Order: sequence, then structure tokens, then C-alpha cells
Amino acid sequence: GIQVEQSPPDLILQEGANSTLRCNFSDSVNNLQWFHQNPWGQLINLFYIPSGTKQNGRLSATTVATERYSLLYISSSQTTDSGVYFCAPPEDGNEKLTFGTGTRLTIIP
Amino acid sequence: DTAVSQTPKYLVTQMGNDKSIKCEQNLGHDTMYWYKQDSKKFLKIMFSYNNKELIINETVPNRFSPKSPDKAHLNLHINSLELGDSAVYFCASSQSASLNTQYFGPGTRLTVL
Repeated sequence: GIQVEQSPPDLILQEGANSTLRCNFSDSVNNLQWFHQNPWGQLINLFYIPSGTKQNGRLSATTVATERYSLLYISSSQTTDSGVYFCAPPEDGNEKLTFGTGTRLTIIP
Repeated sequence: DTAVSQTPKYLVTQMGNDKSIKCEQNLGHDTMYWYKQDSKKFLKIMFSYNNKELIINETVPNRFSPKSPDKAHLNLHINSLELGDSAVYFCASSQSASLNTQYFGPGTRLTVL
């Protein structure tokens, strides 16, 4: 099955800083989703981004499918951005998402 | 109005017991899923149903049996609970079975003693 690696595993930043989270995957994909799991455990879908770039407020994501990676950018971090960020490409181009190991982001006031 | 809801939120039980977790979505989606998140936060799909039919069945023990009475509900029944079943179980739904955004429920934390 598809292998998914996320980096860095942990990131601690001061409020207001910018960050880039990376997701590498081993196979070609035609879909990729980014999720945020907040400290209370809720999983929120951030982006559905098979290719190109999308922006939503302070967050944006870019997927370069041909090079098998995706990036999540967070600008002007806030404490509410803390949590674990997962990328999840599908396996075999179907709806079965394979989750990466996540990046744990901690924003310090 | 919770889009994907699960009950109970917490479940503490003894080894060997049988328990069920219920999931409902009010999004009008056709496809529903069960995921397991272990203590290291690793998330893995267990099952997926599309219009009440099983379409994904990962390698999980047959003590786990999903049931979909209608496309808005997907319940998970677990027989003969074991210590290793302790985890957070998430239900999710998507509009269809092909490459759609998935929406997750709040999770059910199962603790087996």
C-alpha cells in the first residue's frame, strides 16, 4: 500500500510565527486531504487538494502530485492552531484514505 | 446540528464483554466509515459502507461487525472485547464512495479493563 511520511513530527512555535508542514507519499494520487485534530480530539477536514494550491484564511495547501508531496502552510499562528495535522492520500486511487503519522504543532502564547 | 454524531463518547468496559457504538450522519451522504485511532495517534480505516453495502473491509478481527440499517447510520458492534481494542473509534461520512471530502464524528474513547 501507499506509504505516507509527514515532517516534522513535532513543531513548537511562538504565536504569530509561520510554519510549513510536509507530506511525502510513495505512489501517484488523485486526491489528498489534510486534517487537523484539535487538543480535544476532534478531526476537522482542512483541505481536499488533489493538485495545485488552495487557500482558506491563514491556511493554504499545495499538492505536487507528480513529485509526490503536499505542503500545508500556516501563517500568523494562533494558539487555536495547536494540535496534530494529518495528511491522507487515498490508496489505489479509491476512497480508502491512508493517514500519515501526523505533525504535532504546539503554538506558545 | 451535529453533522456526524457518535454515541457514547466514552465507553469503559471489562474484557470479554460485548459493546456497540452508534453513528449517525445528517448530511445526506451515501458513504460512511469506521476508523480506529490507537494510543500513538495512528489512524487506520476499518470499514466503509456505501448505501448500506460494505465496500471496504480491512483486516480486522471478525469480533468487529459493522451494521448499516440505512445510509444515515453505521453502527459498530464488538464481541469479546480485548485489552488491545482500547482506542478511539471515529465514524466518518462522505458524499459518495469516490474521492470526496470525509467528515468525522467526535470519536468514542473505548477503554477495556
